[in-house]
Order: sequence, then C-alpha cells, then structure tokens
Amino acid sequence: DAKTTQPPSMDCAEGRAANLPCNHSTISGNEYVYWYRQIHSQGPQYIIHGLKNNETNEMASLIITEDRKSSTLILPHATLRDTAVYYCIVRVANTDKLIFGTGTRLQVFP
Amino acid sequence: GAGVSQSPSNKVTEKGKDVELRCDPISGHTALYWYRQSLGQGLEFLIYFQGNSAPDKSGLPSDRFSAERTGGSVSTLTIQRTQQEDSAVYLCASVGGRVTDTQYFGPGTRLTVL
Repeated sequence: DAKTTQPPSMDCAEGRAANLPCNHSTISGNEYVYWYRQIHSQGPQYIIHGLKNNETNEMASLIITEDRKSSTLILPHATLRDTAVYYCIVRVANTDKLIFGTGTRLQVFP
Repeated sequence: GAGVSQSPSNKVTEKGKDVELRCDPISGHTALYWYRQSLGQGLEFLIYFQGNSAPDKSGLPSDRFSAERTGGSVSTLTIQRTQQEDSAVYLCASVGGRVTDTQYFGPGTRLTVL
C-alpha cells in the first residue's frame, strides 16, 4: 500500500504558484520523499526528491516539515504544460521500487 | 543521450494468446523496473532487476507473468494466456545504480486484450 496521502485534485491559475501537499506520517528515518508527475499518455517524469532538508531544482521546490510527516511540492509559476497527475512517493527502504498512490490531478487553467 | 524505449507502443491481442513486451533501458543503467498502470489507476510495481537477476518479483500478479533480462540491458516481460484484466499500460524504468538514483520511465506499451 502507498504510504502517502494526497488530495485527489487541485486547480491553479496559470502563472501562480501551485502548492501540492502530501502526508507521509509513517515515514521512516532513512526513507526519501520523491515526487513524480505523469502527463496524459506519457510515462512518469521525475521532479525532485529529498530526505529532510528543503530542496530546489529547475522544476520545483520541495518543502519537508521538521518532523518529516508531510511535505509540499511547489511549482513557482505554473504553466498549462504543468497540468498532470502528481505523485508523492516514499521510497521503500532497502529496495528501489516506487509505490505509487493515486496522486493529485493538477489542472492549470488560463 | 537516448532515454528508455519500449516496444511495441501498442499491442492488441486475443484472450489466451501470449505476448512479449520489450524494454531497452538507458545505456549503462544497472537497475530496471517493470510497472503496470490500469486505466485511471496509479502505477503498480511488478518486478525489479539488478543486473540480470531479479531480487524482487513480489509484484507479479500470477505465474502467467514472467520477465527476464539478458546482458544487463534489454528486458522482456512475457504474459502467457492473456486475460482481459491484463489490459493496461506496461511501463519500464531504469536507474543508474545508486540507491537514491531516480527512475527514468519509458513511454510504455499499451496492451489491450480482447
């Protein structure tokens, strides 16, 4: 079973920041939080990952709470091309497989 | 460089037939994963290869499903005696080798069993 919970859907206006929350209250100390997204009819695309520190790359920022029980993916200036299903995944310790939940369907509107 | 490729992109077969799905990982990537995604659902892990061995086959749904990897590169997922519930998109991902490396996904094979 997925170890994360996410809202099923969110809307965001183009140009605004999209903040996607994720709860992972049972995360273990050596487990990473990964974010992937899946644009319609494509394979999932890696976005960002982190352990306990906040992370930023060219695509997004990841904010992880101090207790690591939740995180937020931030797309600073959402575009229509960011419309996708966003998956928050806790990587299972000692294996590399990713256990996907149902994700958040983000709709960016003009 | 080239990404993960999968073939065929689409496969339509009749119930009871066998199918083979192919995955070409990124060159040099040692780990390879198979997932499947049913319509409107999230991804379901099937099997994981490290080199040519499969330390985790826990996601294979039945003994009709098997996979192999030769030469540490190409992998084939075989489904015998296909059933309608096997209809899904089958996705392959490869990883560079470090435990925390990201998984790079191919475009998938859409399998339809009539």
